[in-house]
Amino acid sequence: DVKVTQSSRYLVKRTGEKVFLECVQDMDHENMFWYRQDPGLGLRLIYFSYDVKMKEKGDIPEGYSVSREKKERFSLILESASTNQTSMYLCASSLPRYLYGEQYFGPGTRLTVT
Amino acid sequence: EDKVVQSPLSLVVHEGDTVTLNCSYEVTNFRSLLWYKQEKKAPTFLFMLTSSGIEKKSGRLSSILDKKELFSILNITATQTGDSAIYLCAVEVIIQGAQKLVFGQGTRLTINP
Repeated sequence: DVKVTQSSRYLVKRTGEKVFLECVQDMDHENMFWYRQDPGLGLRLIYFSYDVKMKEKGDIPEGYSVSREKKERFSLILESASTNQTSMYLCASSLPRYLYGEQYFGPGTRLTVT
Repeated sequence: EDKVVQSPLSLVVHEGDTVTLNCSYEVTNFRSLLWYKQEKKAPTFLFMLTSSGIEKKSGRLSSILDKKELFSILNITATQTGDSAIYLCAVEVIIQGAQKLVFGQGTRLTINP
């Protein structure tokens, strides 16, 4: 079974703090993704990566950065957390783009910024 | 701008009813359409559709894609309380050689006993 794990299920941070969200997958997938999920807006893509040290901006990258130093690990960084970044964050991984296959999701991290 | 719209946004039915969830899309470089089920945790994969008119079926769930009219439906027959969840529709697109999913807002389905 594919497993995607995220470092925390719940996280509470203060405005201005630097926040790291970690994601690890165990299926040797090339592609990894970070989404945020907000009521009424669905899942929106923040950043994605299709190889180690590669990163691409998604639809809402402002206020975020990412790091992919190893194939199995994809980190999302909030440089200076703000209250409008309170959300559910979901990580996903998938096979490379030349193959059909679904994205596998982690359990999510519910981040609250106060 | 790529867009995926689901309807209804919320649906409440009684156990045993049949429901149809809708997903329409306007995207460039369509590759596939996916349905996911999300309970209180990670979305879990249901179906991937790439060709028009071919029904995919899994137990009481089925789905079909119409690439001419740009929509898909997800049917659930003989609903059970365990079907209560948010159902997500996503379209996979290819942009600058990379694939990504564009999600709809989701349909929150509640099955009452």
